Amino acid sequence: EIVMTQSPATLSVSPGERVTLSCRASQSVSSNLAWYQRKPGQAPRLLMFGASTRATGIPARFSGSGSGTEFTLTISSLQSEDFAVYYCQQYNNWPPTTWTFGQGTKVEIK
Amino acid sequence: QVQLVESGGGVVQPGRSLRLSCAASGFTFSSFAMNWVRQAPGKGLEWVAVISSDGINKYYADSVKGRFTISRDSPKNTLYLQMNSLRAEDTAVYHCVRMLTFGFAPFDYWGQGTLVTVSS
Repeated sequence: EIVMTQSPATLSVSPGERVTLSCRASQSVSSNLAWYQRKPGQAPRLLMFGASTRATGIPARFSGSGSGTEFTLTISSLQSEDFAVYYCQQYNNWPPTTWTFGQGTKVEIK
Repeated sequence: QVQLVESGGGVVQPGRSLRLSCAASGFTFSSFAMNWVRQAPGKGLEWVAVISSDGINKYYADSVKGRFTISRDSPKNTLYLQMNSLRAEDTAVYHCVRMLTFGFAPFDYWGQGTLVTVSS
């Protein structure tokens, strides 16, 4: 099983700050990596796929980078609506029986 | 807009069965592969099952294989998850999830989920 490790577990940030979230895979997943945002009481929302492609409607302040085992999600200037939990997920094999998610990083107000 | 609304969750005793439903709207349901993804209390997200757009191909996580069955009724725009021989470890919020393509693709739309509690 490919283990996805996200860091930090929690990030305390002020609005307007730049935020960098990390996701590490226990083995290479190429660029088959997605990021999701989850707010309390809401369904998860796809932010990024292919490691660096923004999903439809996602603001340009979100960017993704990385390949292989090291990935980063960056929010250039944190807005109030960005406080949420962020998950990474690898989809590097087929069938998806080995697809795995990270445990999440909670971005909270400082 | 795309909407996925799950139903059918509840409290069930170990060993019993439950069927979840997901009503889809806002897109051509018959054109997309669909999944179930769950999250146990205090735990991470876990992929459960996928079904191809035509309903022919299905795959399951090892943890549910042989006990859960995914199916779809495209004329009714509905996805199902039949869960048999339920265990305490199946307790989770179950999300209905669309994927971009039936292959190396992320999950592009999620429902809010329905809670299944397996307890005596």
